[in-house]
Amino acid sequence: EVKFVQSGSELRRPGESLKISCETSGYNFPNYWIVWVRQMPGKGLEWMGIIYPGDSDVRYSPSFAGQVTMSADRSISTAFLQWESLEASDTAIYYCARARSSFGFYFDFWGQGTVVTVSS
Amino acid sequence: QSPLTQPASVSGSPGQSITISCTGTSSDVGAYNYVSWYQHHPDRAPKLILYDISQRPSGVSDRFSGSKSGNTASLTISGLQPEDESDYYCCSYAGGSTEVFGTGTKVTV
Repeated sequence: EVKFVQSGSELRRPGESLKISCETSGYNFPNYWIVWVRQMPGKGLEWMGIIYPGDSDVRYSPSFAGQVTMSADRSISTAFLQWESLEASDTAIYYCARARSSFGFYFDFWGQGTVVTVSS
Repeated sequence: QSPLTQPASVSGSPGQSITISCTGTSSDVGAYNYVSWYQHHPDRAPKLILYDISQRPSGVSDRFSGSKSGNTASLTISGLQPEDESDYYCCSYAGGSTEVFGTGTKVTV
């Protein structure tokens, strides 16, 4: 059974750093892309970027390039999303999902989401 | 990359059919046959309901169907049921291994 389990809710102050995780199981982790998706309060889904754990190739949406860093640890089948200096506008729910590729991508298994709140 | 345009809301009665449009550009929806659709209930993980325009994953009801014409993809829900009440998002390949989501549509039954 494929499972995606994300780390718990986080409350941080502006300027602080943060790393959230997406632990996977039930499939061959290195062989599938992992996507990160943001949902700001009351807003829609936004595609942040995608990482291929097999070689750590990362493609960022232009809107998020330089704002976040995606990484993966094949030894623990876990993907990560991190910020060096949070802003209040980073307050959102962040989802990870497995990306299947048929040239384009689609996302078949999702984590439950991590709520990140940035407030002074 | 600008989000794909979807109607903010669509409503229908039980048993009816509704269609949700997803309009992009010649650089995303119009350029590729790689549009997927997701059902998203608040406080739950999104669920894949269609991929590659019209392909249904195993376990997804055949009441969900998809199509594309030019720069616009569409999701049709036939035989509307109360449990279909949710938010729906399209997502298109946009080149360079990147994707873009639609603005989302709230379906009311």
